Amino acid sequence: DGGITQSPKYLFRKEGQNVTLSCEQNLNHDAMYWYRQDPGQGLRLIYYSQIVNDFQKGDIAEGYSVSREKKESFPLTVTSAQKNPTAFYLCASSAHGLGGQGGHEQYFGPGTRLTVT
Amino acid sequence: GQNIDQPTEMTATEGAIVQINCTYQTSGFNGLFWYQQHAGEAPTFLSYNVLDGLEEKGRFSSFLSRSKGYSYLLLKELQMKDSASYLCAVRGMGHYNTDKLIFGTGTRLQVFP
Repeated sequence: DGGITQSPKYLFRKEGQNVTLSCEQNLNHDAMYWYRQDPGQGLRLIYYSQIVNDFQKGDIAEGYSVSREKKESFPLTVTSAQKNPTAFYLCASSAHGLGGQGGHEQYFGPGTRLTVT
Repeated sequence: GQNIDQPTEMTATEGAIVQINCTYQTSGFNGLFWYQQHAGEAPTFLSYNVLDGLEEKGRFSSFLSRSKGYSYLLLKELQMKDSASYLCAVRGMGHYNTDKLIFGTGTRLQVFP
């Protein structure tokens, strides 16, 4: 079945450590996104990528980094520079990443809940 | 600035009808999405509106008025499993004309027997 996978579901890290969250999709989608969700706030865009080897900062990119070496994969690294890394992280993908018409809804992975102590 | 407003919480009774409103002010508009999100899970797509009017999909309908910057999600014949957060998201204009979605904070709906 096609879909998006994120692993692990729960992740615990000590402050000062970098951690990488994985996101894989087999939907053959061009565009991929990383969001962060905190209680009482909407999903906030961290980074997005329209095509392989290209990505752009979202609204809250500071303290995060990404890569897009393969169409299927868009890993997110939470660095020690991120001041409040504890959150629920959601990866998404959509068929169309370059504007145009059509719904092109984003499909979400199951999420990774990161806790940093 | 960009802003999407929706009520924080709503309650309703099983079998009833509930309307969740969403108002938006965004830079550009390329459609409005509604997602359902159960606690601790990923959002799942419910509906998409890009033209004014009502889109019906089974028990769920979504309405859009672009001139008013307003949408609503209508849920009929409520079931207990409809207890979830409902996210309104507007597809605006990001860099390079991408499908950038701007999300509201979500409306938490509780359905009681």
